[in-house]
Amino acid sequence: AQSVTQPDIHITVSEGASLELRCNYSYGATPYLFWYVQSPGQGLQLLLKYFSGDTLVQGIKGFEAEFKRSQSSFNLRKPSVHWSDAAEYFCAVDAGGTSYGKLTFGQGTILTVHP
Amino acid sequence: EAGVAQSPRYKIIEKRQSVAFWCNPISGHATLYWYQQILGQGPKLLIQFQNNGVVDDSQLPKDRFSAERLKGVDSTLKIQPAKLEDSAVYLCASSLITSYEQYFGPGTRLTVT
Repeated sequence: AQSVTQPDIHITVSEGASLELRCNYSYGATPYLFWYVQSPGQGLQLLLKYFSGDTLVQGIKGFEAEFKRSQSSFNLRKPSVHWSDAAEYFCAVDAGGTSYGKLTFGQGTILTVHP
Repeated sequence: EAGVAQSPRYKIIEKRQSVAFWCNPISGHATLYWYQQILGQGPKLLIQFQNNGVVDDSQLPKDRFSAERLKGVDSTLKIQPAKLEDSAVYLCASSLITSYEQYFGPGTRLTVT
């Protein structure tokens, strides 16, 4: 069955430290990959996406993600975290084809930022 | 550009009551989605519309949930009767028919007591 795994439920970092959030997927082919961020009481905001081409993609708010086909991973990174980055982060996958538009989400990673 | 609008933002009902949520997508977005997000989980797709037709409702509990998108714009999601396990945030999203990018509304937080 198709699935998306975010191994870390909760991550705590200090402001200014680097960040990496992990995402692994299980699909037959290369899907379309997304990272969303959700602040308390808010909807989901798209941070970045990967469809094809360069495996390192840049997003908003200084985030980037790298697609690694051999590891079925799409990890999110930021070199220096700001207190405003505290939120919940979701990795999502669209298998495309007949499943076009059907996003499957991971369970999310809650990011806490210490001053 | 206005985003996806949802109302109400919060709703508290007793089990066995009915409830309805409303969504107005971004203008020009032909595809509309409803997701259920239970606390501690990622959103789960309930139903996908393209214009006023249903593309996928395989994960919609049809014995109690219904959704419609009359005129291919606004959409309503209804639960009747509600159960305790329906407590969740209901998210609406929309996208252009040619795009994989979905834009989400703020959601409706439903509490069933």
